[in-house]
Amino acid sequence: SQQGEEDPQALSIQEGENATMNCSYKTSINNLQWYRQNSGRGLVHLILIRSNEREKHSGRLRVTLDTSKKSSSLLITASRAADTASYFCATRQGAQKLVFGQGTRLTINP
Amino acid sequence: ETGVTQSPTHLIKTRGQQVTLRCSSQSGHNTVSWYQQALGQGPQFIFQYYREEENGRGNFPPRFSGLQFPNYSSELNVNALELDDSALYLCASSFMGGGTVEKLFFGSGTQLSVL
Repeated sequence: SQQGEEDPQALSIQEGENATMNCSYKTSINNLQWYRQNSGRGLVHLILIRSNEREKHSGRLRVTLDTSKKSSSLLITASRAADTASYFCATRQGAQKLVFGQGTRLTINP
Repeated sequence: ETGVTQSPTHLIKTRGQQVTLRCSSQSGHNTVSWYQQALGQGPQFIFQYYREEENGRGNFPPRFSGLQFPNYSSELNVNALELDDSALYLCASSFMGGGTVEKLFFGSGTQLSVL
């Protein structure tokens, strides 16, 4: 079962533009995480936002969380070709299980 | 680099065979999780090991089993391979404190093809 669902499934933009990805989830959470995956590689943790936070920044990343709508967004500003990857949101079910969505495939065109 | 290493990177097996995948956790981590990722999908939780015991399992049959060793390295074993087992298998290590795990540190994965 997948708790988080990302939207859109695929996004293609020009270098320098901003990229926004959305995530919706179904149950109550303590925190929500975003991960990045380059093609066929392992996932890299980007940012964690707790349920009592509404917005968090890390470099060119901005994450928002709306617990009333059970949704989160990831904004990448001033995109670069190296940002081309798949991005996943993840929420925790129980103490051990991290549940990932299907991801957004982001392509940055030079 | 996360410090989590997996071997082998690629593997080809035939249906019915058995496979063992290996993972070396990041120094200081006491927990290892395994995930299966089919092409175009998000990772699916297989199970988690803490202090050498399985302490959480996803919706996978018993032919998926694992081990965690005292040095926190880990193995994933899959028996009686099926074609649908073809996927990228990801190992993730983390530190469990207070009974919960937060962010995960992933290895680069083992790409398993079952023919």
